[in-house]
Amino acid sequence: IQLTQSPSFLSASVGDRVTITCRASQGITNYLAWYQQKPGIAPKLLIYAASTLQSGVPSRFSGSGSGTDFTLTISSLQPEDFATYYCQQLDKYPYTFGRGTKLEI
Amino acid sequence: EVQLVESGGGLVQPGGSLRLSCVGSGFRFGGYWMSWVRQVPGKGLEWVGNIKEDGRERYYADSVKGRFTISRDNAKNSLYLQMNSLRAEDAAVYYCARERLMEWIWGQGTVVTVSS
Repeated sequence: IQLTQSPSFLSASVGDRVTITCRASQGITNYLAWYQQKPGIAPKLLIYAASTLQSGVPSRFSGSGSGTDFTLTISSLQPEDFATYYCQQLDKYPYTFGRGTKLEI
Repeated sequence: EVQLVESGGGLVQPGGSLRLSCVGSGFRFGGYWMSWVRQVPGKGLEWVGNIKEDGRERYYADSVKGRFTISRDNAKNSLYLQMNSLRAEDAAVYYCARERLMEWIWGQGTVVTVSS
């Protein structure tokens, strides 16, 4: 299953609302997770089951969607949110990741 | 606190072998599927494969099938990745991850370099 993330790069400012999309090549119900990754650090789980916020993740992060179309929204960007974001499908083997969205200031 | 610590990375020649380890703590290791994921520096993430709680089921990415083997020793809270016939394109940071349905926890990674 291929995951197409868009955009690949996103420039935004502190306080902005941003949305990243992830489209699956076939339906995956809600078997989707979102990660944040900063340079030199392992990915950090933000959202799983498409819309469930991982414990300890700020509520400005939210996820939605089902089937083939999913979104990650950050309601009000904070300085620490500038990073690369990946989606991952866990519906069928092999598990796959999107190519990432780099969020820049 | 749940913790995963990978080790065993290093420099290996093309065609060579390497065995990575991942030790888990802070949870009942034998109660979870475990995965390996890799990332070429500056590039995206690639799932390598996973193994069931009791070790009786394993799944692999096509890119490593037949060359890599995942195993575990629950008595030692340990996960392994045996990598044979290594290629330049296998060079990456290798992460282990604990699967709990879609709620994964990752280790910090270990670096594998493949070069002559």
